[in-house]
Amino acid sequence: EAGVTQFPSHSVIEKGQTVTLRCDPISGHDNLYWYRRVMGKEIKFLLHFVKESKQDESGMPNNRFLAERTGGTYSTLKVQPAELEDSGVYFCASSQGVVKYNEQFFGPGTRLTVL
Amino acid sequence: AQSVTQLGSHVSVSEGALVLLRCNYSSSVPPYLFWYVQYPNQGLQLLLKYTSAATLVKGINGFEAEFKKSETSFHLTKPSAHMSDAAEYFCAVTTSGGYNKLIFGAGTRLAVHP
Repeated sequence: EAGVTQFPSHSVIEKGQTVTLRCDPISGHDNLYWYRRVMGKEIKFLLHFVKESKQDESGMPNNRFLAERTGGTYSTLKVQPAELEDSGVYFCASSQGVVKYNEQFFGPGTRLTVL
Repeated sequence: AQSVTQLGSHVSVSEGALVLLRCNYSSSVPPYLFWYVQYPNQGLQLLLKYTSAATLVKGINGFEAEFKKSETSFHLTKPSAHMSDAAEYFCAVTTSGGYNKLIFGAGTRLAVHP
């Protein structure tokens, strides 16, 4: 069974440019999460989809970030325009069902560098 | 609000020595607690989780953790370290109420030397 995949693995962009990150969850997982780790800090929650609906977007830093999950399958996270402080590793995770302690399966992350 | 504190951003042990990684949590409601491990260039992998059943939880690769409510702790241990245990370890909490998001500690990087 394929795990959570993320694309690209690395992205280097200039300040002010746009970047789109993609996450493909494990097939059949209704829950999809985005997290971010800024260098040296803890991994922080960004948002949670249940199928195509945003269940919790309390961690989104500002309106430069836009997440979508069309059709309840893969998800994209767009940063527009990117700022220096957006640099970090963006993780996607997916899980099955509604039980809160169900394992979240993580992808390898996308390392974003904004110059 | 929940929070997690991991004492020690870097821990170094000798191969064969005891591994002890510390995690303290703060939660106003009964927590669910997790330990994840990240090997280089890989995603986070679940080691074990506490879901209010047994307070001593056994996980993969010989790791275990004990939930101590009085100390608000969930420390991770392994009796004998292997070179392959070198990785970054994350403690996380979520709760039975509210949403499913995980609240992570800052991580502890474990080095194992011969």
